[in-house]
Amino acid sequence: EAGVTQSPTHLIKTRGQQATLRCSPISGHTSVYWYQQALGLGLQFLLWYDEGEERNRGNFPPRFSGRQFPNYSSELNVNALELEDSALYLCASSPDQVQAEAFFGQGTRLTVV
Amino acid sequence: GQQLNQSPQSMFIQEGEDVSMNCTSSSIFNTWLWYKQDPGEGPVLLIALYKAGELTSNGRLTAQFGITRKDSFLNISASIPSDVGIYFCAGQRDSGYALNFGKGTSLLVTP
Repeated sequence: EAGVTQSPTHLIKTRGQQATLRCSPISGHTSVYWYQQALGLGLQFLLWYDEGEERNRGNFPPRFSGRQFPNYSSELNVNALELEDSALYLCASSPDQVQAEAFFGQGTRLTVV
Repeated sequence: GQQLNQSPQSMFIQEGEDVSMNCTSSSIFNTWLWYKQDPGEGPVLLIALYKAGELTSNGRLTAQFGITRKDSFLNISASIPSDVGIYFCAGQRDSGYALNFGKGTSLLVTP
């Protein structure tokens, strides 16, 4: 069974640009979670989607947004990129909104120059 | 979300030694989780704790849910080189809330 897959694995953008990160959950999982992991820091919760709806949002500015598609895959969009947005962005999926049972993908390394 | 206090920040030990790390919070959590993250990978769940006072093992790993619900401990016995990685704790207030993560404990094991 395929795990959580994220694309691209690496992304380099310049300040002010927009970045789009993609996540495909494990088959059968309806919840998708996004986390930011900056260097030397723990994971910071960004967004939680379930059944196409945003369920919860972390303490991030509105330029961080996303959506979940009918097939439960998800996109994370970051507008007006800033240098401090450089981080590993991790996606996780779980069945039935049980976050404690979530499996993580390998992440997308976003570098803003 | 609240950042948990995880210690130590890093550990450098010899193969065969036991390891202890802990996580504390000023708030009560009803779920405590421990993850391991290898370089270039996402975190992998090691142990999940759902009840105060609960002690759960997974092979050489043992974790405890503190009785106050504000802390948790992870012990690794007889460490081996493949234990190298970053260990994260995470707490969850209730099922509708996001996970709060510690900053991680970086473990290095020398043969």
